[in-house]
Amino acid sequence: DAGVIQSPRHEVTEMGQEVTLRCKPISGHNSLFWYRQTMMRGLELLIYFNNNVPIDDSGMPEDRFSAKMPNASFSTLKIQPSEPRDSAVYFCASIPRGGTGFYEQFFGPGTRLTVL
Amino acid sequence: AQKVTQAQTEISVVEKEDVTLDCVYETRDTTYYLFWYKQPPSGELVFLIRRNSFDEQNEISGRYSWNFQKSTSSFNFTITASQVVDSAVYFCALSQTGANNLFFGTGTRLTVIP
Repeated sequence: DAGVIQSPRHEVTEMGQEVTLRCKPISGHNSLFWYRQTMMRGLELLIYFNNNVPIDDSGMPEDRFSAKMPNASFSTLKIQPSEPRDSAVYFCASIPRGGTGFYEQFFGPGTRLTVL
Repeated sequence: AQKVTQAQTEISVVEKEDVTLDCVYETRDTTYYLFWYKQPPSGELVFLIRRNSFDEQNEISGRYSWNFQKSTSSFNFTITASQVVDSAVYFCALSQTGANNLFFGTGTRLTVIP
């Protein structure tokens, strides 16, 4: 079975540009998570969805960040406008069923974003 | 509040040595889950183990073993006879029952020197 799929794997953009990161969770999983990883701050949870509904977006750093999950098999994380401090690796993860705490999260390979 | 502390930022060992990675957690919940993940140089996060708060039995999987002690709120990870392929960043994480998100520690970077 395919794991969590993220695209692109690498993105280099210039400050001020819009960036869209994409994620396809594992089929049948109903919860999806977006994380950001930097050397300074480690792994940070940005937002998560249960059944396509955003549950907690308190980790989204500011209004420049937005996330959507239009259906069970696709989510996007958008940064508009991007800034150099947004440079990080962005991970998407999914679990079979939210609301239990039991399941391990299955992570995608990550998108390495560089904002010049 | 939930918190996971991995006090060891970096560890270096020579191949075939044993190494223990420490993890201390804080939670007010009586039911919770603890996890270990591995992040090799390639960057992906790989699940290693889950332990629930009611199961304090130690677990062994090949060269890996985990020691869970509720009395000290610790969930330590030992690699026996380390190998170069064990070089990675290892994360300990905590989740609450009924919740979704994981609280990650800051990770321990393990370097195994040939």
